[in-house]
Amino acid sequence: AQSVTQLDSQVPVFEEAPVELRCNYSSSVSVYLFWYVQYPNQGLQLLLKYLSGSTLVKGINGFEAEFNKSQTSFHLRKPSVHISDTAEYFCAVTFGGATNKLIFGTGTLLAVQP
Amino acid sequence: EPEVTQTPSHQVTQMGQEVILRCVPISNHLYFYWYRQILGQKVEFLVSFYNNEISEKSEIFDDQFSVERPDGSNFTLKIRSTKLEDSAMYFCASRFDRGLIRDTEAFFGQGTRLTVV
Repeated sequence: AQSVTQLDSQVPVFEEAPVELRCNYSSSVSVYLFWYVQYPNQGLQLLLKYLSGSTLVKGINGFEAEFNKSQTSFHLRKPSVHISDTAEYFCAVTFGGATNKLIFGTGTLLAVQP
Repeated sequence: EPEVTQTPSHQVTQMGQEVILRCVPISNHLYFYWYRQILGQKVEFLVSFYNNEISEKSEIFDDQFSVERPDGSNFTLKIRSTKLEDSAMYFCASRFDRGLIRDTEAFFGQGTRLTVV
């Protein structure tokens, strides 16, 4: 079965430190990969996406992610976090097909401390 | 910038009551979705809708749920007889599909928080 795993439910980090949020997927077919951010009491906002081409993708707010097909991973990174980055981050995949429905991971709460 | 809008932002309903959640997708989009997120859990796919019919639904989307596009702009999710476990944030999303890879991205609304008491 196709699935998405976010091993870290919560990642505490100090302001201006680097961070990596992990995402692994399971699929026997090609995938398209996304990271969404959810700020408290808000909806889902797209951070970045990998559809094809370069495996390093850059998104909004200084985030980037690298698609690694051999490791079936799509980890999210930021070299220096701000307090305002505190939010829930969801990795999601779609396996194409007619509907392109998204399958989400369980989310990682990034808690940035001063 | 075009966006998906959902109303209401928060709805409280009594168990057993019918509820309708409303969404206005982006105007030229062709695929429409409902997802839900139970508090503290992951976002789950409920249903997709294309060309005025359901194209895919999950196990969660049982006979208590229905979707409709009553006119050219609205997309609704109806829950016939709400249960306590239906309490969740419900997200609407839409996608433009010209058969291009870049149309894979779905745009989400802000969500409707449904509380069943």
